[in-house]
Amino acid sequence: DTAVSQTPKYLVTQMGNDKSIKCEQNLGHDTMYWYKQDSKKFLKIMFSYNNKELIINETVPNRFSPKSPDKAHLNLHINSLELGDSAVYFCASSPGTFSYEQYFGPGTRLTVT
Amino acid sequence: KQEVTQIPAALSVPEGENLVLNCSFTDSAIYNLQWFRQDPGKGLTSLLLIQSSQREQTSGRLNASLDKSSGRSTLYIAASQPGDSATYLCAATQGGSEKLVFGKGTKLTVNP
Repeated sequence: DTAVSQTPKYLVTQMGNDKSIKCEQNLGHDTMYWYKQDSKKFLKIMFSYNNKELIINETVPNRFSPKSPDKAHLNLHINSLELGDSAVYFCASSPGTFSYEQYFGPGTRLTVT
Repeated sequence: KQEVTQIPAALSVPEGENLVLNCSFTDSAIYNLQWFRQDPGKGLTSLLLIQSSQREQTSGRLNASLDKSSGRSTLYIAASQPGDSATYLCAATQGGSEKLVFGKGTKLTVNP
């Protein structure tokens, strides 16, 4: 049973397109996150939702819009894709905010051509 | 602002050796520090979580320590095996937030 799943695993698209990445967790966690890992493997947080409410919003272009339809899902929609958006995007979840372990999904490798 | 540094960036050891991975952080007002393992092309696997009130955590051959006063954590791996080869990431929360700030990782290679 996959705890945190993401779809798709790979996404290749052209500049200017709009795409979405979906994330689902079956752990019953209240908090979900989106991270970006760039070509140098540096991992940085983008967004965090707790009980469907946005609690962390890092300095991310507003072309990126997260949406949480319910506690178990956190999707990431990206408008007008740019070459620099190419990266691996990871979803994660934790039981709550603060002192809790985070569990990561397998990642979505986005390539913008 | 929290900054996390991991040294060395890469480490190669023979099988069976005990080894230590280092992590330092600039903001000691952390809620917790977490060690992860990342295999090539895969997601992150949580190894150990140390709460700010704890000094160490152990899981099998892994032991992680935390010294907030010096801003340092170490991950000790006993009797290393080729299957331990991976990139190990350290992440500390930023003061007043549950936001995890990651180091750039140590790529470990254990040679048979």
